[in-house]
Amino acid sequence: EAGVTQFPSHSVIEKGQTVTLRCDPISGHDNLYWYRRVMGKEIKFLLHFVKESKQDESGMPNNRFLAERTGGTYSTLKVQPAELEDSGVYFCASSRSRGGSDMETQYFGPGTRLLVL
Amino acid sequence: AQKITQTQPGMFVQEKEAVTLDCTYDTSDPSYGLFWYKQPSSGEMIFLIYQGSYDQQNATEGRYSLNFQKARKSANLVISASQLGDSAMYFCAMRPRNQGGKLIFGQGTELSVKP
Repeated sequence: EAGVTQFPSHSVIEKGQTVTLRCDPISGHDNLYWYRRVMGKEIKFLLHFVKESKQDESGMPNNRFLAERTGGTYSTLKVQPAELEDSGVYFCASSRSRGGSDMETQYFGPGTRLLVL
Repeated sequence: AQKITQTQPGMFVQEKEAVTLDCTYDTSDPSYGLFWYKQPSSGEMIFLIYQGSYDQQNATEGRYSLNFQKARKSANLVISASQLGDSAMYFCAMRPRNQGGKLIFGQGTELSVKP
């Protein structure tokens, strides 16, 4: 079974540009999460999809961030326009059950390292 | 407030010895899950072990065990017989049941295993 994959692995862009990150969850996983780790700080939740629906987007920093999960499969996270403080590692995770439980394990992708200059 | 605290930014351990990585948590939710993840230098996040708040026994997974002390709100990770490949960043995380699916992470502890 393939794990969670993310593309690209690294991205270096200039302030003001647009970047789109992609996440492919484990096949059959309804839940998809985005997290971010800014340098030296803890990993923070951004949002949660259940299939194609946004279940919780309380962690999205502002309206420059747009996440989609069309068809309930892969997800994209677009940052437009990018700012310096958006630099960090963006992780995607997926888990199986729809209802969710505190036993549900989230499996993470390798992350996308974003650097905004 | 929902919070995870890892007070050890860095730890050293001699190969083959055991090491304990500290994690304390704060939540008002009576039901929650606690997780540990490992992040080696390659960057991926690897799930290690899970403990449910109502579990009576401490979780174990191979060389990993979780020392769960509910009254003290601590969920320390114990790695026995450390190996060089254990050198990595370790994150403690909590999932309160009433917070949806999101994980709340600590700051992480960087473990270095010395030969």
